[in-house]
Amino acid sequence: KQEVTQIPAALSVPEGENLVLNCSFTDSAIYNLQWFRQDPGKGLTSLLLIQSSQREQTSGRLNASLDKSSGRSTLYIAASQPGDSATYLCAVRKEGGSEKLVFGKGTKLTVNP
Amino acid sequence: DTGVSQDPRHKITKRGQNVTFRCDPISEHNRLYWYRQTLGQGPEFLTYFQNEAQLEKSRLLSDRFSAERPKGSFSTLEIQRTEQGDSAMYLCASSRGRYEAFFGQGTRLTVV
Repeated sequence: KQEVTQIPAALSVPEGENLVLNCSFTDSAIYNLQWFRQDPGKGLTSLLLIQSSQREQTSGRLNASLDKSSGRSTLYIAASQPGDSATYLCAVRKEGGSEKLVFGKGTKLTVNP
Repeated sequence: DTGVSQDPRHKITKRGQNVTFRCDPISEHNRLYWYRQTLGQGPEFLTYFQNEAQLEKSRLLSDRFSAERPKGSFSTLEIQRTEQGDSAMYLCASSRGRYEAFFGQGTRLTVV
């Protein structure tokens, strides 16, 4: 059974700092990994999708890396801003069989002005 | 905007009542998913449709839950005889094939 863990559960940083969020998964047979952002009481906003054959993806100040063999992904946020405050979730889709995304519990990020 | 749309956004119901939620996916997406999220947890998979066919259901989807996607367009999720434990955010997502999944804003259900 696939399990996804996100560390830390919460993170508070001053504005302008670069930061890294971690995601680990127990079964390396994944098809892709997706990072999401969730604001309180809202749905999920897709940030980045990494296919299993890729090592990283970039979008603006965000960079996500994937090390499939070790079961790890990181989300790097450069020059953090108060508007980046949210919960960040990672999710993996299995290589074959089930179509579901398996989520971690998320990292709650607070960027202080 | 042609993103995933969910209705209603909030629903308060009395225990034992039936409720139905609707999801309109992105128009060209053939796959539609339902997830449930409780406070402090990540979303948990409930069920998945490819076009109009319901191809996968979680064990979380008890006999009181039913989902449909007539004609492969919008989908409905019905919960019969609601219980307090059903209180959660119900999220719908769609995708084209096995690629990027896009989520709606969710329906917050409160059972009193």
